[in-house]
Amino acid sequence: GAVVSQHPSRVICKSGTSVKIECRSLDFQATTMFWYRQFPKQSLMLMATSNEGSKATYEQGVEKDKFLINHASLTLSTLTVTSAHPEDSSFYICSARSTFRGYQETQYFGPGTRLLVL
Amino acid sequence: AQTVTQSQPEMSVQEAETVTLSCTYDTSENNYYLFWYKQPPSRQMILVIRQEAYKQQNATENRFSVNFQKAAKSFSLKISDSQLGDTAMYFCAFMKLGGNQFYFGTGTSLTVIP
Repeated sequence: GAVVSQHPSRVICKSGTSVKIECRSLDFQATTMFWYRQFPKQSLMLMATSNEGSKATYEQGVEKDKFLINHASLTLSTLTVTSAHPEDSSFYICSARSTFRGYQETQYFGPGTRLLVL
Repeated sequence: AQTVTQSQPEMSVQEAETVTLSCTYDTSENNYYLFWYKQPPSRQMILVIRQEAYKQQNATENRFSVNFQKAAKSFSLKISDSQLGDTAMYFCAFMKLGGNQFYFGTGTSLTVIP
């Protein structure tokens, strides 16, 4: 149980284009999902908290107009990197907060998406 | 604000031996959760073990156990009978009761040597 998928796993795009990353909880409903960014050999940096049916909460310094988050259903959240630039190249990871009894505080992570902007 | 510190950037251990990864945290909260996650070269974050602060008994999951010292705000991870598949980055994380956000440490890179 508690499987989270992410698609695509890897994407290469040209500068100025937009890229959408999907995060799905496969066997549980997730009212809350999270989006992280991870630079090589560093820890995870929280970008935003996504709540189903409401606007995402962004961390300080994260541009909400650049990183659009939509959490339209209990199993799907999307992150769209708009007008991507080379500095947006990174590893993006989503997680979903568990709804399993006794594990509601636990986050389960997707496999990540490697974005390369040329 | 909560902070999580992992003071060992890199560690290594011989296969079949035991290794302990340290984690300390700073918080004024009394009720919270602590986690250890493993990130192997595939970069998939995997939950290793979790601990509720109100439980005095240390959590155990097969070869993985923790030494939770609430007063000292310490949460170390012991890996027994280390296996090659344990080679990974290990992150300690904190979340307060009723909260949403995880606070991660900077990670410890563990290498199991055959």
